[in-house]
Amino acid sequence: AQSVTQLGSHVSVSEGALVLLRCNYSSSVPPYLFWYVQYPNQGLQLLLKYTSAATLVKGINGFEAEFKKSETSFHLTKPSAHMSDAAEYFCAVSERNNDMRFGAGTRLTVKP
Amino acid sequence: DAGVTQSPTHLIKTRGQQVTLRCSPISGHKSVSWYQQVLGQGPQFIFQYYEKEERGRGNFPDRFSARQFPNYSSELNVNALLLGDSALYLCASSPDSFGNTIYFGEGSWLTVV
Repeated sequence: AQSVTQLGSHVSVSEGALVLLRCNYSSSVPPYLFWYVQYPNQGLQLLLKYTSAATLVKGINGFEAEFKKSETSFHLTKPSAHMSDAAEYFCAVSERNNDMRFGAGTRLTVKP
Repeated sequence: DAGVTQSPTHLIKTRGQQVTLRCSPISGHKSVSWYQQVLGQGPQFIFQYYEKEERGRGNFPDRFSARQFPNYSSELNVNALLLGDSALYLCASSPDSFGNTIYFGEGSWLTVV
């Protein structure tokens, strides 16, 4: 069965610094991969998804992620952090169905 | 267009009681999935329904059940509530049952006391 590991439960960056949130996956078939963001007391909002097209995926709010099959990774990056980026971020994997497996999440803190 | 809507948004139940949570998918979406998110953890898959049929079930006890109606809305039922059932229950909808992006509602916060 598919699974996801997010490295680092908490990441802290300064405003304007690079954001890097790490995600490694396990899947028996070519996976679909997703990053979702969750603000306090809200549901999950899709940032971006990989579905076997381009390996570099651009999402909303300036985020992007690169699918690296050899490393089974799908790390999320943003060149310059903004205060509004502070939230919980979840990586998820799906084996072409809607049974999505989520990681434990990474809480991003942005310092002024 | 309205997104995924869930009700109630918050509720408190006592151990042993039963609860029903409701979900209306995005218009045109035929697949509904349910997830449980315990505080501090990622969402865990409970069920997926497509065209009123169960298409997937996560590792949850039989106390958890769900159904989908002809209008594609869905209900999640949990019987004999335990303290550990306290969580945010998220409903998500998708146009079909495979591989499309799923869109989440705001969730129903369940507290069991």
